[in-house]
Amino acid sequence: VVLTQSPGTLSLSPGDRATLSCRASQTVSSSHLAWYRQKPGQAPRLLIYGASNRATGIPDRFSVSGSGTDFTLTINRLEPEDFAVYYCQHYGDSLWTFGEGTKVEIK
Amino acid sequence: QVQLQESGPGLVKPSETLSLTCSVSGGSISGYYWTWIRQPAGKAMEWIGRMHSTGSTYYNPSLKSRATVSVDTSMNQFSLELRSVTVADTAMYFCARGVGTGAIGVHFDQWGQGTLVTVSS
Repeated sequence: VVLTQSPGTLSLSPGDRATLSCRASQTVSSSHLAWYRQKPGQAPRLLIYGASNRATGIPDRFSVSGSGTDFTLTINRLEPEDFAVYYCQHYGDSLWTFGEGTKVEIK
Repeated sequence: QVQLQESGPGLVKPSETLSLTCSVSGGSISGYYWTWIRQPAGKAMEWIGRMHSTGSTYYNPSLKSRATVSVDTSMNQFSLELRSVTVADTAMYFCARGVGTGAIGVHFDQWGQGTLVTVSS
């Protein structure tokens, strides 16, 4: 499964809503998708897994929607810590793949 | 609180073997997928391979059988060997804990900070 994320870069202001897309090359189960946030020089942090489960400490400003091949991560009311790179990840047939990432930058 | 910490040489010569260890503290090795992931500078992450605590292993086919992941439950650590490295293997290497099952999906809930490995003569 190849994951294509768009846009490559999103320029927004604090308080805005961010909408990030992850498109799979074939139909996948939303339960096999996860999303991560990575700040410069840090390891990725798990945000959402199993379709819509937020990881520990992740606020409800983060949500995921979609099915089939098209999935969206929505971040409401952007805070300074949200400006980072976001990756979607799929697990299937004992393989993991990651998208290329979407960078959310301050406008 | 589970913590993962990578260790190993930061510089490896071409054609040699890259060896990294990930120490796991604050939790058990049992019941998880212990995984290595790498990220070349400015690029996306690439999954390398994993060993489940039951002993089953699986590797990214793109690495053409150069990788081996092993787990030492007595030491609470797991390791990566990547043979015949080239400059293309230069990357930040992360160890991570995979949680879940094949039926419901497996995601990475704990990560090491990463260690930069440069392949150069």
